[in-house]
Amino acid sequence: KQEVTQIPAALSVPEGENLVLNCSFTDSAIYNLQWFRQDPGKGLTSLLLIQSSQREQTSGRLNASLDKSSGRSTLYIAASQPGDSATYLCAAYHQGGSEKLVFGKGTKLTVNP
Amino acid sequence: KAGVTQTPRYLIKTRGQQVTLSCSPISGHRSVSWYQQTPGQGLQFLFEYFSETQRNKGNFPGRFSGRQFSNSRSEMNVSTLELGDSALYLCASSHRSRVGTEAFFGQGTRLTVV
Repeated sequence: KQEVTQIPAALSVPEGENLVLNCSFTDSAIYNLQWFRQDPGKGLTSLLLIQSSQREQTSGRLNASLDKSSGRSTLYIAASQPGDSATYLCAAYHQGGSEKLVFGKGTKLTVNP
Repeated sequence: KAGVTQTPRYLIKTRGQQVTLSCSPISGHRSVSWYQQTPGQGLQFLFEYFSETQRNKGNFPGRFSGRQFSNSRSEMNVSTLELGDSALYLCASSHRSRVGTEAFFGQGTRLTVV
């Protein structure tokens, strides 16, 4: 059974800092891994999708990496801004034809001006 | 193109009642999944529908049910509501392309059971 863990649960940083959010998964037979952002009381916004054959994916100030052998993914945020404050969730797709996602509990990020 | 639309956005129901939530996926997406989000349990998978068939089901009691229509729109029903059913219910639509499967979520329905 796939389990996804995100560390730390909460993070507070000053504006401008580069930061790394961690995601680990127990079953390396994943299909894809997706990072999301969630603002309070809102739905999820897709940030990055990494295919199982890829090592990393970049979008603007965001870079996500995937290491299936070690069961880890990281989300790197460069030059953080107060608008980046949100909860960041990673989710794994399992191989086997289903599009079910298994989520971590998220990292709540606060970027202070 | 339009995103995933969930209605209603907010609901207040009384214990014992039933409720139906609706989800309209992105045009062309045939897979719709439902998730329950609570502060204690995080996001938990309820079920997935593809071309009107339930393809996968999470570990929830039979009070939770769903269906998908021929236009891919989906509904989720919860009968005999309990206080613990209070949660944000999220719907995701997805499709497989050459870059893999990517899910897109709606804004959710906030259900409060009193």
